[in-house]
Amino acid sequence: AQSVAQPEDQVNVAEGNPLTVKCTYSVSGNPYLFWYVQYPNRGLQFLLKYITGDNLVKGSYGFEAEFNKSQTSFHLKKPSALVSDSALYFCAVSGSMTAGNKLTFGGGTRVLVKP
Amino acid sequence: NAGVTQTPKFQVLKTGQSMTLQCAQDMNHEYMSWYRQDPGMGLRLIHYSVGAGITDQGEVPNGYNVSRSTTEDFPLRLLSAAPSQTSVYFCASSYPPGEGEKTQYFGPGTRLLVL
Repeated sequence: AQSVAQPEDQVNVAEGNPLTVKCTYSVSGNPYLFWYVQYPNRGLQFLLKYITGDNLVKGSYGFEAEFNKSQTSFHLKKPSALVSDSALYFCAVSGSMTAGNKLTFGGGTRVLVKP
Repeated sequence: NAGVTQTPKFQVLKTGQSMTLQCAQDMNHEYMSWYRQDPGMGLRLIHYSVGAGITDQGEVPNGYNVSRSTTEDFPLRLLSAAPSQTSVYFCASSYPPGEGEKTQYFGPGTRLLVL
C-alpha cells in the first residue's frame, strides 16, 4: 500500500519569508510525487512533479520541491512567500508498481501568509 | 480546451435518493478517476478507469457505481444517498500509465449535501 504524510495541518509564515511544506511518503517501486494547490471553492491545480532525474524540481508560481530518497521526503519550498500563496496544499504519490495512475493524497497543509 | 468539466456544481439530496455526477474531458485522456474530499482526510479515490469499458475500484467504492462508455465521459452514480456521502467530489483525468506523463488534471468539483 502507498501512503503520504503531511505532518503539519497549518503553516504560518510572514510575507517575504521562506515557505516550506513537508511531505513524506511510502510506496512500492519508484515513486512518482506530486504537489497540488487548492484555493477556496476551487479544484486542485498542479504545481510540480518528480518522476525521475534531478532531485530538485521547479514548478509553477516560483515553487520548488526536493526529492530525498533516503528520507522518503518531497518537501515543497518557496524562497519568498506571497500573501496570494495562502491556500491548501496537497502532496500525492503514485508508484512504478501502482496499478493504473492511482494517486494517494496526504491530508493537506493549509498555508497562511500574513502581510 | 475546456479541460475537465463537472456538473452540477452543487446538489442537495435527501437520504435514499439517487443521482449521477457528470464528468467530461476533452483532452483525449485514457485515464479518469473520481475522488471525494473530506476535511483533514485529503482526497480519497472512489473509482477509476484506464479506458473506455474498463473500470476498477479505488479506496472507498461502497455506495458508488461508475461506467465508461466513451473516452470523454465518466459519470459517478450514487445509488441510494446517505449523509456519510456528504462531500466534495472531484473528477480527474490523465494520459495512460506508463507514458511518462502521469499528471492528473482535476475538474472544479461538485459539492454534495445529503440530508
